[in-house]
Amino acid sequence: EVQLVQSGAEVKKPGESLKISCKGSGYSFTSYWIGWVRQMPGKGLEWMGIIYPGDSDTRYSPSFQGQVTISADKSISTAYLQWSSLKASDTAMYYCARFAGLTTPRDYWGQGTLVTVSS
Amino acid sequence: QSALTQPASVSGSPGQSITISCTGTSSDVGGYNYVSWYQQHPGKAPKLMIYEVSNRPSGVSNRFSGSKSGNTASLTISGLQAEDEADYYCSSYTSSSTLEVFGGGTKLTVL
Repeated sequence: EVQLVQSGAEVKKPGESLKISCKGSGYSFTSYWIGWVRQMPGKGLEWMGIIYPGDSDTRYSPSFQGQVTISADKSISTAYLQWSSLKASDTAMYYCARFAGLTTPRDYWGQGTLVTVSS
Repeated sequence: QSALTQPASVSGSPGQSITISCTGTSSDVGGYNYVSWYQQHPGKAPKLMIYEVSNRPSGVSNRFSGSKSGNTASLTISGLQAEDEADYYCSSYTSSSTLEVFGGGTKLTVL
């Protein structure tokens, strides 16, 4: 069974760093892209960036370039999304999703990680 | 502002059919048959309902169907049921970016 399991909810202060994770199982982790999606409270879905764990090819939305870092550790089938200095505006739900190719459907999604940034 | 335009809300009564539109440009919806639709219930992750304009993943009810005409894609839900009440998002491959683009989402209310 294909599963993407994300790390738990986080509460952080502005300026702190954070790394959340998305662990894949039930499929060849290195053969699928993993993407990260932000959903701010009451708002829609936004693609942040994607990574291909097989060769670490990483691409960012212009809106998120330089604001976050996406990485993966294929030895433990886990992708990461990290911030070096959180802002209150980073408060959101973050989802990971997998897909086979850039035009293929995002067929499996993680359960989401809620990040709350508040002083 | 989202790249793809969806109505903010639609509603229908149980048993009726509704259609949600998703309008883009020739660089995305109109240029490629890579339109997907996702259903999202409150507090839940998005769920793939339609891919490549009109294909249903295994396990998705055949009450859900997709189509496209020009720069506008559509999701039709027939025989509305209470559990269909959710937010629906379209997405499309775009030649303008490596990443897909989403619509702004449509809230479906089952009256």
